[in-house]
Amino acid sequence: GAVVSQHPSWVICKSGTSVKIECRSLDFQATTMFWYRQFPKQSLMLMATSNEGSKATYEQGVEKDKFLINHASLTLSTLTVTSAHPEDSSFYICSARDRTATSYNSPLHFGNGTRLTVT
Amino acid sequence: AQKVTQAQTEISVVEKEDVTLDCVYETRDTTYYLFWYKQPPSGELVFLIRRNSFDEQNEISGRYSWNFQKSTSSFNFTITASQVVDSAVYFCALSNTGKLIFGQGTTLQVKP
Repeated sequence: GAVVSQHPSWVICKSGTSVKIECRSLDFQATTMFWYRQFPKQSLMLMATSNEGSKATYEQGVEKDKFLINHASLTLSTLTVTSAHPEDSSFYICSARDRTATSYNSPLHFGNGTRLTVT
Repeated sequence: AQKVTQAQTEISVVEKEDVTLDCVYETRDTTYYLFWYKQPPSGELVFLIRRNSFDEQNEISGRYSWNFQKSTSSFNFTITASQVVDSAVYFCALSNTGKLIFGQGTTLQVKP
């Protein structure tokens, strides 16, 4: 089946530093990847949609300068949390849509998530 | 506006009991898709089912079954003869543009 690898699984960083999270589609090409954020015991909130080779589309209220998204290839999207602060601590999950999917409503393939803790 | 509501925050059952997870959605679109995902403690989301708005047939897959009723905007999920391995957070989601709108999730605990 389609596999999405997210790295790292968890990361602890100091306030003020930047952290990069990678999302890779291992056995398929993904024209579109989505980044979600999940607070403890809460739902997943869509942060942005990234399309290969173009700028990401951010949801309302998400700071694009703080959460930098790059989708440089059909198998890799990265999310960089810049100048991280404790309130950025959260669980970040990416998902990818297979390039060969017949519908943009085809099931997405999710990564295992990255737990970010900012101290 | 689109919205998904899972009113049950937490459910606890004893193994072998049947359990139904409720999902109510709001949308003005005539074409849309509904999903259920499972999130075990490890964190990844596991796809369970997708339904489009034109297909109201109920579906059964092993111990899982889904009841889709457009008249009440509900897409409920039933686990029959629950097992400890079913313990997880279950999310209902709605999409018509490819972007998933998730409900708040229901934490299911199945006790041995």
